[in-house]
Formats: sequence, structure tokens, C-alpha cells
Amino acid sequence: GQSLEQPSEVTAVEGAIVQINCTYQTSGFYGLSWYQQHDGGAPTFLSYNALDGLEETGRFSSFLSRSDSYGYLLLQELQMKDSASYFCVFFAGGGKLIFGQGTELSVKP
Amino acid sequence: NAGVTQTPKFRVLKTGQSMTLLCAQDMNHEYMYWYRQDPGMGLRLIHYSVGEGTTAKGEVPDGYNVSRLKKQNFLLGLESAAPSQTSVYFCASSTGTGAMNEQFFGPGTRLTVL
Repeated sequence: GQSLEQPSEVTAVEGAIVQINCTYQTSGFYGLSWYQQHDGGAPTFLSYNALDGLEETGRFSSFLSRSDSYGYLLLQELQMKDSASYFCVFFAGGGKLIFGQGTELSVKP
Repeated sequence: NAGVTQTPKFRVLKTGQSMTLLCAQDMNHEYMYWYRQDPGMGLRLIHYSVGEGTTAKGEVPDGYNVSRLKKQNFLLGLESAAPSQTSVYFCASSTGTGAMNEQFFGPGTRLTVL
């Protein structure tokens, strides 16, 4: 089967760095993405990794290790507005995305 | 551009009633998707479409039907609503398949079935 695991909650302080981990199980791998969702609103795309290594987009970076079936999202210089749910998302092929259950990030002053 | 819009935003149904949720996108995207999100959970794919006139089943298709008669619209139907279908429904669209193809989401429809 296909599954994704990520922590349910993470807390950090403003200005800090936080890492949200994601491990996956699948019979075939086509890429790992990250989405952000504020207060149950529309999810928005953050990043995508198809190959091993680090992808950087401003304060956000995403890492993938296909041999370890593992990825993470790194958020630097945390701001209060970063408080949200973050989902790792696996591309299962055929147009299908499989979402993890989400990590709720709370940023404290 | 409005992006992805969903109608209605909220709805309360009684068990056994039927309804249709409408999703519209103005980005000329080929792919469209319907997801449901239950409290504290990620999104689960109900049905999707890779182009006008096509539909396919996702992870949780039972109890739902869809149609894509026009490229810009994707309809989700509940023929006989059940309390287990109480959820937030999100529509999304993208230029193509693959995780690299960013999906753009609508604001959601909050459905309660009594």
C-alpha cells in the first residue's frame, strides 16, 4: 500500500528554524510535494522534489532522500503567519495525489 | 482571474437528499480534482478528470458521482447523502499530472448531513 507519516504537531518560536519530517511507503515513487493550509482554507503549494537533495524557495526548503523514503520541510526565520498545517503529499501516478494527515505548526512569540 | 471557485460555500442536507457541488476554473487547466477533508485529516481524493468528458475514481469514490461536460467545470454529485459524507469538499485544478504540476485549490464547501 501507500502511506505517508508526519508528526501531528510541532511548536516553535518566532525567528527560529523548524523541520517537519515525512516518511513514506509506496510501491512506486514519482515525487513528493508540500502544501500549506491556514485555518482550514484552501491548501497552497509550497515545493516539490522529484530527485534527492534540497530545493530552496525563500525561507522554505524541502529535502528528499529516495533511498531512505524520507523527506522534510525546513522553515527558517519563522514568522507568526507561518502558523498553519503542512502536508507532505505523494504523487501516486495517474494524476493522483496522496496527502499525509498534516502537521500543525504553532509559532509562538 | 478568479482562479478556482466553488459553489455553494456552505450547505446542510438531510439524510437521503441529493445535491450537486460546482467547481469552476478560469486557468484553462486540463486536470481537475475533488477531495474531501475530515477534521484533523489530510485531503482524500474522491474523483478526478484529466480532460473534458473524462472522469476517473480516486481513493474514496463511493457515494459520489462526477461530470466534466465543459473543460472549465467539474461537478460533484451526492445522490443520497449520508452523515458519513459530512466533510469539507475541496476542488482543485492543474495543468497536468504529476506532483510537479501545482494544484490550485478552491476555498472549499462545508457540507453537513443530518
